Amino acid sequence: DTGVSQDPRHKITKRGQNVTFRCDPISEHNRLYWYRQTLGQGPEFLTYFQNEAQLEKSRLLSDRFSAERPKGSFSTLEIQRTEQGDSAMYLCASSAREGGTDTQYFGPGTRLTVL
Amino acid sequence: AQSVTQLGSHVSVSEGALVLLRCNYSSSVPPYLFWYVQYPNQGLQLLLKYTSAATLVKGINGFEAEFKKSETSFHLTKPSAHMSDAAEYFCAVTRNTGKLIFGQGTTLQVKP
Repeated sequence: DTGVSQDPRHKITKRGQNVTFRCDPISEHNRLYWYRQTLGQGPEFLTYFQNEAQLEKSRLLSDRFSAERPKGSFSTLEIQRTEQGDSAMYLCASSAREGGTDTQYFGPGTRLTVL
Repeated sequence: AQSVTQLGSHVSVSEGALVLLRCNYSSSVPPYLFWYVQYPNQGLQLLLKYTSAATLVKGINGFEAEFKKSETSFHLTKPSAHMSDAAEYFCAVTRNTGKLIFGQGTTLQVKP
């Protein structure tokens, strides 16, 4: 059983460029989550999908951010016109129902640096 | 609204000593609680979770946590610290609505 994978692991970009990250969940998991983690902080929720439907978006997710999960499999997170404040670790998680609750398993993350 | 407070951003223990990492939660309904560990430049690994089945929860790597409703706490303990336990630890809460709410994290340092 492979875990959650994310690509790329690291991304360095210049301010104003667009970036796209990919997340491949554990195959039988129907829920997929995106979080953002800045240095010294806990992860903050961005958005989540159940199958291909995006069910909740955080107010942190500005108009420059968009996430998709076509066909309910992998997901992409795009940031347009990046800003230095977007520099962070972007974490993806997928979940399965275990013991009556949704248990989230995380990928290794994509570290974004905006110069 | 739910929230999590982790008391102590840094905890230092000697190898072989007791590890105690504190977590208090705020939730208007019975919560589900989790502890995750994060090693440098890696994602989060699930240590254990509380789902109301038992108040004392055992996890991986010798960690356990006790849910105390009266104290709204879910502290993480390990009887004997190992050098490999040095990492960042996060407590998280959810009402099973999907998103996890995380605490600020506690960095555990283990001294030889």
